[in-house]
Amino acid sequence: DAGITQSPRYKITETGRQVTLMCHQTWSHSYMFWYRQDLGHGLRLIYYSAAADITDKGEVPDGYVVSRSKTENFPLTLESATRSQTSVYFCASSESGRGTSTETQYFGPGTRLLVL
Amino acid sequence: AQKITQTQPGMFVQEKEAVTLDCTYDTSDQSYGLFWYKQPSSGEMIFLIYQGSYDEQNATEGRYSLNFQKARKSANLVISASQLGDSAMYFCAMREANTGNQFYFGTGTSLTVIP
Repeated sequence: DAGITQSPRYKITETGRQVTLMCHQTWSHSYMFWYRQDLGHGLRLIYYSAAADITDKGEVPDGYVVSRSKTENFPLTLESATRSQTSVYFCASSESGRGTSTETQYFGPGTRLLVL
Repeated sequence: AQKITQTQPGMFVQEKEAVTLDCTYDTSDQSYGLFWYKQPSSGEMIFLIYQGSYDEQNATEGRYSLNFQKARKSANLVISASQLGDSAMYFCAMREANTGNQFYFGTGTSLTVIP
């Protein structure tokens, strides 16, 4: 399917377990982003990537790991899940071009993660 | 300091009326973009409208317009002729060239359209 997809859509895990959230886009967008959304905080950037093999920390990177070996994939790993990581996670992608700050981002449908 | 500030946690508007959702931003960059996204109760994030820092005209997209006041660093979203389907969370965001082109989001405004 064209666009940006996330899997799984729903996940329940236990404290201390490793969890990987997948993100795949078919547009060949250069930029990809991971956000978490919590009530009262809006969207907070976890990590982002400007291109394959280039990643940067966002506002709340602690406890998360990312990789980007291929342009189309940007997995997010919680190495040892904690209850505070219960959240809705959104992946997004964006073009870069004549003026990257002019490009919007397009969001995946989100993954609801519950850490027990 | 907050990069994006949305001071209205919740707003109500009568159907068919216009409503303005406030957004102020903080940047020292000359090149930046301002964006509005809608999040209905179903949860998806939908891009609505964009304004570039160099654009002299206010952006418009159908019933959405962006009231851009650069000197005041405000980028308010105006929705004309509100519809019941406009009930949603609305997020203002900024993208700066000099901070790696990442996005900064406000905390959102919940809009309820009353029949």
